[in-house]
Amino acid sequence: QKEVEQNSGPLSVPEGAIASLNCTYSDRGSQSFFWYRQYSGKSPELIMSIYSNGDKEDGRFTAQLNKASQYVSLLIRDSQPSDSATYLCAVNLDSGGSNYKLTFGKGTLLTVNP
Amino acid sequence: DTEVTQTPKHLVMGMTNKKSLKCEQHMGHRAMYWYKQKAKKPPELMFVYSYEKLSINESVPSRFSPECPNSSLLNLHLHALQPEDSALYLCASSQQFSYEQYFGPGTRLTVT
Repeated sequence: QKEVEQNSGPLSVPEGAIASLNCTYSDRGSQSFFWYRQYSGKSPELIMSIYSNGDKEDGRFTAQLNKASQYVSLLIRDSQPSDSATYLCAVNLDSGGSNYKLTFGKGTLLTVNP
Repeated sequence: DTEVTQTPKHLVMGMTNKKSLKCEQHMGHRAMYWYKQKAKKPPELMFVYSYEKLSINESVPSRFSPECPNSSLLNLHLHALQPEDSALYLCASSQQFSYEQYFGPGTRLTVT
């Protein structure tokens, strides 16, 4: 059973702080990793994708991937109240005929307090 | 442009009705997906189309029937649904399998 684990939260940070969201996955064959942001009642919005070990930065967002530890994280710098949402970690197994399927974590609810 | 559109935004239907959900993308993506999402749960994959052909059916009941009329359009036909089928139905597309999937805004379905 391929699993993606996230802390459900809620994670509460003050405005301007760094929010750190973590995700672990069980399948070592996983190749593609994504972070989605989902506001209440809305659809998931892709905010970061990462495919190789290391850091990837896009504006205030940094994704970090460590395949040896089967760990992917998302850092949000200078957190804003508008960042308050559920963050979904999604992993794609790129082999074995299952590369169509995204396996989602249950999501972490982030609240940024003004 | 990474836009996927879905209609309608909201749908209320009785258990004897037949209705359809529509999804459209103009990004040239060759893979399209239907997901179902219940409150406080992650999206759950239902169907996958690749190059306009149904590739994957994740053991979805036959009261849900997908259709891909062309490379830009995806439909989900609904018939004799149950109240437990009430959920947010999401369409997504990607350039190929394992690439980024972009979601549409969803259709909020209520079955009465």
